[in-house]
Amino acid sequence: QSVLTQPPSASGTPGQRVTISCSGSSSNIGSNYVYWYQQLPGMAPKLLIYRNNQRPSGVPDRFSGSKSGTSASLAISGLRSEDEADYYCAAWDDSLSGAVFGGGTQLTVL
Amino acid sequence: QVQLQESGPGLVKPSETLSLTCVVSGYSISSAFYWGWIRRPPGKGLEWIGTVYHSGSTYYNPSLKSRVSISLDTSKNQFSLKLSSVTAADTAVYFCARHSGGYANFDYWGQGTLVTVSS
Repeated sequence: QSVLTQPPSASGTPGQRVTISCSGSSSNIGSNYVYWYQQLPGMAPKLLIYRNNQRPSGVPDRFSGSKSGTSASLAISGLRSEDEADYYCAAWDDSLSGAVFGGGTQLTVL
Repeated sequence: QVQLQESGPGLVKPSETLSLTCVVSGYSISSAFYWGWIRRPPGKGLEWIGTVYHSGSTYYNPSLKSRVSISLDTSKNQFSLKLSSVTAADTAVYFCARHSGGYANFDYWGQGTLVTVSS
């Protein structure tokens, strides 16, 4: 059971906009930054969004993040086939003094 | 360019100790940053195992704390993971990664190594 809660799956057709939610608590999302990772099959996770809504260089602006209270979300607009991957949210947890991840959302591009 | 590379046995027997090493290139681990281990069991999500600071201080996942040890070897610019009394539930792809203290911003990752626990 993951500390952060994500839907196990999401899907969309090419060109659509998809959002993935991430729910936590006051000790993690409520008091710390949220990060999003994209993991392609057989690859290491890649940092997609940092500090709630910032994109590392090289990440397309089709990807955006937001946070409100103890929840966060990742939005992907203009969906493309290469976006098919597992997506994870993460945050530092002050109670655990460690990083916590969501269970992951498998995105399918139909 | 910062690069991380995991190495270690791909097969460990139940009740034994899993040992992995992460060699870092392109950055001195004694300079700054935190160096962590994360795993992904088959069919499951990512799980943070623990982290070592460049000073040698450590932070462990409470659910694994009694079995985990992470250490630095600055002379070889590498850090290591030891997980004792393993069971089949510890079968996973293990990743090493860099992050900042108090943040889950894992910005550089190793490619991961599969460790199977089986007799």
